[in-house]
Amino acid sequence: SAVISQKPSRDICQRGTSLTIQCQVDSQVTMMFWYRQQPGQSLTLIATANQGSEATYESGFVIDKFPISRPNLTFSTLTVSNMSPEDSSIYLCSVEQGAPYEQYFGPGTRLTVT
Amino acid sequence: SQQGEEDPQALSIQEGENATMNCSYKTSINNLQWYRQNSGRGLVHLILIRSNEREKHSGRLRVTLDTSKKSSSLLITASRAADTASYFCATQRGGANSKLTFGKGITLSVRP
Repeated sequence: SAVISQKPSRDICQRGTSLTIQCQVDSQVTMMFWYRQQPGQSLTLIATANQGSEATYESGFVIDKFPISRPNLTFSTLTVSNMSPEDSSIYLCSVEQGAPYEQYFGPGTRLTVT
Repeated sequence: SQQGEEDPQALSIQEGENATMNCSYKTSINNLQWYRQNSGRGLVHLILIRSNEREKHSGRLRVTLDTSKKSSSLLITASRAADTASYFCATQRGGANSKLTFGKGITLSVRP
């Protein structure tokens, strides 16, 4: 399975600021996925990032709020912009690798907005 | 919207007992995957079952899939305190590199 790292592992940020989360994979992958997990809730897909093209966002998520970069086949960033307390969540990246269709997740970034 | 619905939402058992968790979904799928999450950390992939499979085993895990009822079950045999975690089912409708849609999750507590 893929080895996926995320930085930072956690952060406490002030309202109105932005945070960029990094996701690094130990091998090349076509797609990278960004999910959000609000407190006590399940995971919701934010967007899918394909190298060399703009990310595809799910309903309810917009590029201005969650800009994503995918500069190469092993790395992606998600920025949470103009944060509010409602953005307090765990943000996770995932990739599909190894056995077909199996998706693996990074350790997550726990964000608290005050 | 959530594709899957797990039940029960919370389960508490004694160490050594078996734990059965169920997941239902609404649309046709390519596969269904089960994950474990410990204390709000990252998700650990447990097992994937394809739509043309009925049962899979991995160690103490047994997963079944009934596509006619749009449901799956995860059985953990001889549970251990270390199995205490949240468990999620996730469905994938499309082919490779398509998104997962997650259920709400089940909180399993295994009492020593």
